[in-house]
Amino acid sequence: DQQVKQNSPSLSVQEGRISILNCDYTNSMFDYFLWYKKYPAEGPTFLISISSIKDKNEDGRFTVFLNKSAKHLSLHIVPSQPGDSAVYFCACILGGTSYGKLTFGQGTILTVHP
Amino acid sequence: DGGITQSPKYLFRKEGQNVTLSCEQNLNHDAMYWYRQDPGQGLRLIYYSQIVNDFQKGDIAEGYSVSREKKESFPLTVTSAQKNPTAFYLCASTPTRGAEAFFGQGTRLTVV
Repeated sequence: DQQVKQNSPSLSVQEGRISILNCDYTNSMFDYFLWYKKYPAEGPTFLISISSIKDKNEDGRFTVFLNKSAKHLSLHIVPSQPGDSAVYFCACILGGTSYGKLTFGQGTILTVHP
Repeated sequence: DGGITQSPKYLFRKEGQNVTLSCEQNLNHDAMYWYRQDPGQGLRLIYYSQIVNDFQKGDIAEGYSVSREKKESFPLTVTSAQKNPTAFYLCASTPTRGAEAFFGQGTRLTVV
């Protein structure tokens, strides 16, 4: 049973425009949410996170939004750059359990065209 | 430079053989993890360890074994009991109070 879903396998965006990546989860006990970026044949690198007590967290060009009632989070990248082209994974952590024990979505391949 | 080192980057194994993947970290992190990535799927947790000499099964532990004899090292053995071992394996670690896992570069295991 997939507890974390990224329903868009891929997204194509023009350079300079906004990229919006979406993630839905089913377990209401998740209380910490993260986004990772991954290039082929490499390990994921941490991008940005958000706690369940917040609804928005911003870091430079990256903003994560959390809608707890809808069990939905999204990552906005503005402006998008060709170097942002990668696979993006959302990940969730259960409240009260061991940190780092992440439940991942399937990933969304982002392609930013020059 | 601090980080997580996985070796080898590529590994080939014959069916029926056990193989051990190495993971070493010099970040002084307490907790270490093994994840597996298959095409079209997210990363799935195999085993994790929060402290030396202790580890717990993740979601897909069958056919795998681990040890944690040193804080810096968390090797993963893929046994012959693992029915579909071909995958990309990722090791990760977290500090005591950190939620963001830091990942190694991964090992691509192929059964031939």
